[in-house]
Amino acid sequence: GAGVSQSPSNKVTEKGKDVELRCDPISGHTALYWYRQSLGQGLEFLIYFQGNSAPDKSGLPSDRFSAERTGGSVSTLTIQRTQQEDSAVYLCASRERQGPNTEAFFGQGTRLTVV
Amino acid sequence: SQKIEQNSEALNIQEGKTATLTCNYTNYSPAYLQWYRQDPGRGPVFLLLIRENEKEKRKERLKVTFDTTLKQSLFHITASQPADSATYLCALPDSSYKLIFGSGTRLLVRP
Repeated sequence: GAGVSQSPSNKVTEKGKDVELRCDPISGHTALYWYRQSLGQGLEFLIYFQGNSAPDKSGLPSDRFSAERTGGSVSTLTIQRTQQEDSAVYLCASRERQGPNTEAFFGQGTRLTVV
Repeated sequence: SQKIEQNSEALNIQEGKTATLTCNYTNYSPAYLQWYRQDPGRGPVFLLLIRENEKEKRKERLKVTFDTTLKQSLFHITASQPADSATYLCALPDSSYKLIFGSGTRLLVRP
């Protein structure tokens, strides 16, 4: 595709419900990242996929968070039993590959509000 | 683990002046460092990359320096314009090679 696409753009959910956030990376990009950004804060790393390697899940804040990447392309971030502190903008980024010559391309983000 | 420090206070400058933003890291020197711009409600957009063996990189009105002794990168915008107002983030690879970001510094350029 032309860029990284995320859906939905906005999601309001009730506390305790599960949510799924979707990311369509740029075609052919092997690296895919999920970050979380709270209001006025920086990007908090969540999870990273690189090719067929096992994902780096070291940033996931709890076992309520999980992500998968099917066929090396689309990724879904799932948050189970959402809490109010999960409210944030969730950003997805892809890179052509790992390494210094590659920039990260970001989607517009999904704004999640847990009420 | 690697930590990135950027000034959390907004930088407020007059149009036409040079803006200088700082990015410090705490641990080992990375192989490269990147700078991104983020506008409200948008994802970050890549601006410049500098490698560890490069002292300086320029692109139009932007200049980035990389001092591995000080563990610091400086990002300069010369002849600043109100349209340069945004949050600027630095990013670098951690020990696992994944890209991590600083918290960003907000720049406000007054007309």
